[in-house]
Amino acid sequence: RKEVEQDPGPFNVPEGATVAFNCTYSNSASQSFFWYRQDCRKEPKLLMSVYSSGNEDGRFTAQLNRASQYISLLIRDSKLSDSATYLCVVNSPTSGTYKYIFGTGTRLKVLA
Amino acid sequence: DAGVTQSPTHLIKTRGQQVTLRCSPKSGHDTVSWYQQALGQGPQFIFQYYEEEERQRGNFPDRFSGHQFPNYSSELNVNALLLGDSALYLCASSLATVSHSYEQYFGPGTRLTVT
Repeated sequence: RKEVEQDPGPFNVPEGATVAFNCTYSNSASQSFFWYRQDCRKEPKLLMSVYSSGNEDGRFTAQLNRASQYISLLIRDSKLSDSATYLCVVNSPTSGTYKYIFGTGTRLKVLA
Repeated sequence: DAGVTQSPTHLIKTRGQQVTLRCSPKSGHDTVSWYQQALGQGPQFIFQYYEEEERQRGNFPDRFSGHQFPNYSSELNVNALLLGDSALYLCASSLATVSHSYEQYFGPGTRLTVT
């Protein structure tokens, strides 16, 4: 089982739609969680950290479910500019320290 | 405030050659991590440097080595290049904290092609 798993998609949605992505992780000792956005042939950019109580940033909402070991990202009122790959990242303990583990990413295409 | 910078942007090498990639972290950051991203995959952790030492390492062979300098900049060296080393190499910087909740910021990457 992969340490961090995401549905690769693609998710094709019309403008204005609401879309949600889930990401599961295997290490219950994982401490922190993030969503990154990556445009084609560009570097990943931090979209938001995911807090235990859930957090919102404009049209984006992130949730953490430690019991079921998954995080989610909800995008409301999708824009064409939201088209990108969304990477789930888990900061997991290893050998006495921590490291970032990335999922393979979920591709989103917002259609006009 | 300068972000993370990497050089070169693109590189073409032949099998068996050696390559050195460079990274300057975001101002105020002291930790540098290197990742390899193959096409269609998420970034894979190579190693992390803090206080000029390799603090942790992913599942990469010894052909991959690195260094961190006193000004926190870093180099990634790959020896005996293989075709499979062709990828986007990303550098990320962060500020080491006890909480282990630090956020990482990525540079634009170096696209390496091995022929």
